[in-house]
Amino acid sequence: GEDVEQSLFLSVREGDSSVINCTYTDSSSTYLYWYKQEPGAGLQLLTYIFSNMDMKQDQRLTVLLNKKDKHLSLRIADTQTGDSAIYFCAEKNTDKLIFGTGTRLQVFP
Amino acid sequence: EAQVTQNPRYLITVTGKKLTVTCSQNMNHEYMSWYRQDPGLGLRQIYYSMNVEVTDKGDVPEGYKVSRKEKRNFPLILESPSPNQTSLYFCASSRNPSDTQYFGPGTRLTVL
Repeated sequence: GEDVEQSLFLSVREGDSSVINCTYTDSSSTYLYWYKQEPGAGLQLLTYIFSNMDMKQDQRLTVLLNKKDKHLSLRIADTQTGDSAIYFCAEKNTDKLIFGTGTRLQVFP
Repeated sequence: EAQVTQNPRYLITVTGKKLTVTCSQNMNHEYMSWYRQDPGLGLRQIYYSMNVEVTDKGDVPEGYKVSRKEKRNFPLILESPSPNQTSLYFCASSRNPSDTQYFGPGTRLTVL
């Protein structure tokens, strides 16, 4: 079946780059997403990538997709304390989104 | 303002007492969905609806019901809540299943 996996925690120093990784199993996924959840809030779409792309950059965010290895990553450049949140990757599977477990990013000064 | 709203935001109830969590979107979206979020498990889909009067089970539908009588509303019904339904619930909507989903702010439910 479909499965999306992420590591649970990541801790980085302010100003450094963060890289959050995700692996998925469904090779027929058409879109892959990154969502951000701040404390006490809902999910906010950060960015997405179509499955025929290798990379997408949007300001401080870079998404890399390795379709052969079914590996997705989100790089946040110049990480700020406001980036502290839980980050979910998700794959689009026909009618639904399959979410990973979420990675809690903690940014320390 | 385009948004998905949920009510209530917080609810504490007791086992067996029927409850409904409402979800409403003002974007004329056809696709709506309910998820629950639990630590270490991410978000899991409970039910989804492709359009009015069309609903389907997601990954964890047991113990839940939904209805879609109008396009904008998609209530989640727990006929007889149990403690294992204590969770954070999110409603989401999109124009169609392939489009980006917009999430509500979440409803934190505790069943004692």
